Amino acid sequence: EVQLVESGGGLVQPGGSLRLSCAAFGFTFSSYSMSWVRQAPGKGLEWVANIKQDESEKQYADSVRGRFTISRDNAKNSLHLQMNSLRAEDTAVYYCVQRRALAFQSWGQGTLVTVSS
Amino acid sequence: QSALTQPPSASGSPGQSVTISCTGTSSDVGAYNYVSWYQQHPGRAPKLMIYEVTKRPSGVPDRFSGSKSDNTASLTVSGIQAEDEADYYCSSYAGSNNLLFGGGTKLTVL
Repeated sequence: EVQLVESGGGLVQPGGSLRLSCAAFGFTFSSYSMSWVRQAPGKGLEWVANIKQDESEKQYADSVRGRFTISRDNAKNSLHLQMNSLRAEDTAVYYCVQRRALAFQSWGQGTLVTVSS
Repeated sequence: QSALTQPPSASGSPGQSVTISCTGTSSDVGAYNYVSWYQQHPGRAPKLMIYEVTKRPSGVPDRFSGSKSDNTASLTVSGIQAEDEADYYCSSYAGSNNLLFGGGTKLTVL
């Protein structure tokens, strides 16, 4: 059974940084592209970033490009999101997601990031 | 790029069929057969229900079906049940490795 467990969320001041991690279990992590998707409180879903199996390609939403960096460690079955220059509008639950081609196949339970002074 | 357009709400009585639309443009929904649908119950993570317009992942009941015509995709729930009450989101590939979501539709089972 696929299991994705996010960690690293919390309260951070505007302009601050945070690093999210996702531990993957139950599948061959190195065989799948992975994504981060976020959901602001009471709002809809927003795709944040993608990374290919071998890190050869990374893509970002316009709203985070230049501030966020997605990475992975296939040896440790882990996915990361380094978030810098955080803004109030980055406040959201961040989900780690296993990709199936161009769909979001399996989701973690999410980790809440709150950007506030 | 703008989000895809979904109606904010939909409803039906148990056993009825309900269809939720997802309208995009000729650059996303109309251009690619990469529309997917997600179900989200309150406080829970989303769940993939339909991918590549019409395909159902293993374990998803066959009362859920997807279709597409021009720039509009649709999710139909046939014979809705109380457990189907949830938020539903569509997503489409929009080229250049961009993925768009719809604003979500709250399905109420009356």
